Amino acid sequence: AQKITQTQPGMFVQEKEAVTLDCTYDTSDQSYGLFWYKQPSSGEMIFLIYQGSYDEQNATEGRYSLNFQKARKSANLVISASQLGDSAMYFCAMRPAYSGNTPLVFGKGTRLSVIA
Amino acid sequence: NAGVMQNPRHLVRRRGQEARLRCSPMKGHSHVYWYRQLPEEGLKFMVYLQKENIIDESGMPKERFSAEFPKEGPSILRIQQVVRGDSAAYFCASGTSGGRINEQFFGPGTRLTVL
Repeated sequence: AQKITQTQPGMFVQEKEAVTLDCTYDTSDQSYGLFWYKQPSSGEMIFLIYQGSYDEQNATEGRYSLNFQKARKSANLVISASQLGDSAMYFCAMRPAYSGNTPLVFGKGTRLSVIA
Repeated sequence: NAGVMQNPRHLVRRRGQEARLRCSPMKGHSHVYWYRQLPEEGLKFMVYLQKENIIDESGMPKERFSAEFPKEGPSILRIQQVVRGDSAAYFCASGTSGGRINEQFFGPGTRLTVL
C-alpha cells in the first residue's frame, strides 16, 4: 500500500520569499509517479508538477520545483518568489507509474498563506 | 477543449434522499475516477471506471453507493439514502492511457450537503 505524509498543516510565507512544502511517501513499488496539486479557496484541483521515480533531474515548472530525494522518500515542493495568489491548500499525491491508470493516493495537505 | 465538467456544483439533500452526481470527462478521455474529500482532508479514491466497466471500486462503500460510466453520456455517482456523513466534496477526474505522466485532470467538484 502507498502512503503520503504531509506534516505541515499550515505554513506562512512572506510575499516574494521562497517556501518549501514537505512531502514524504511510503511505497514498495520500484516505479511510481509523484504529483503536487493546488486547491485554492474556490475548490478546484490544479495540477502543478510531476516527478517520475526514475527521472534523474528534479522537476521544474516555472516557479515550482520538486526537491526529490529518493533514498529519503521525500518529494518536497519549492515555490519561489511567493505571490498572494499562491495562498491555497497544496496536496502531494502518488501512484504506481507502471500500471498507468491507477488511482492517486493523496496526503492531507498543507495550507499555505502568503503574507503581503 | 473543454475540461472535466461536473454538475451540479452544489447539491443539498435531506437525510434519506438520493444524490446523483454527474461527470463528463475531457474529450478523448476514457478513464474516470471519483474521489471524495471530507472537510480539512485530502482526497480519497472511491472508484475507477472505463466506458461501461468498473475497473476498481475498492474505495467505495459497499452499501448505498454506486457508479456507472455508460457508453453514451456522463459518469454518474449515485448515493442512495444519504446520511449526514456523506456531506463532502466529490471530485471526478479523467485521464487517458499511453502518456508518460498519465495525468488525471480534475473537475471542479460537487459539494454535497446533507441536512
